[in-house]
Amino acid sequence: NAGVTQTPKFRILKIGQSMTLQCTQDMNHNYMYWYRQDPGMGLKLIYYSVGAGITDKGEVPNGYNVSRSTTEDFPLRLELAAPSQTSVYFCASRPGGDLGAFFGQGTRLTVV
Amino acid sequence: DQQVKQNSPSLSVQEGRISILNCDYTNSMFDYFLWYKKYPAEGPTFLISISSIKDKNEDGRFTVFLNKSAKHLSLHIVPSQPGDSAVYFCAASGFSGNTGKLIFGQGTTLQVKP
Repeated sequence: NAGVTQTPKFRILKIGQSMTLQCTQDMNHNYMYWYRQDPGMGLKLIYYSVGAGITDKGEVPNGYNVSRSTTEDFPLRLELAAPSQTSVYFCASRPGGDLGAFFGQGTRLTVV
Repeated sequence: DQQVKQNSPSLSVQEGRISILNCDYTNSMFDYFLWYKKYPAEGPTFLISISSIKDKNEDGRFTVFLNKSAKHLSLHIVPSQPGDSAVYFCAASGFSGNTGKLIFGQGTTLQVKP
């Protein structure tokens, strides 16, 4: 069972570069999320989706974009990377109702 | 505006004793609450949840208590084991989990000493 798969696991970006963090789930979950975790801090919600074609902003959406063309995939796009975006990024999916979310292993991103 | 707060950054307990982790929330629209456990370099894993129609939910050594009037929930681990040492996050969602948004607290690092 693959669950939630994130790629890449590690990435170093230069200031101003852009990249896409990939997230795929094989559990047919409707809800998908992107979080970032800064050192010593909690998980901050960046964007989330309640189904294919539907996305909404979370707590810290600035500097990021998302799309949800299929149930399985929820990529996160960083345009014009900044040092403040150095963080660990987690993708999660959830079936809905009274059930918890399943998380990927995370992507550690450093912007220099 | 921190809607879900875990005011204790860390907690240390002896093996076999009870661990109590606390969480407060500000948004009265939250009605579904979850606890997650996280080890270093791994994604969080779901532990236990509770709906606002209940005030207690048990799963083995883990019990979550909800006090809606105080907007407070707690996670009890009895007995605590060294393998429980991790960061614990509480999270909250609205409308019985179906609105989509899932907001996390800052986390509490639990250390269980042998």
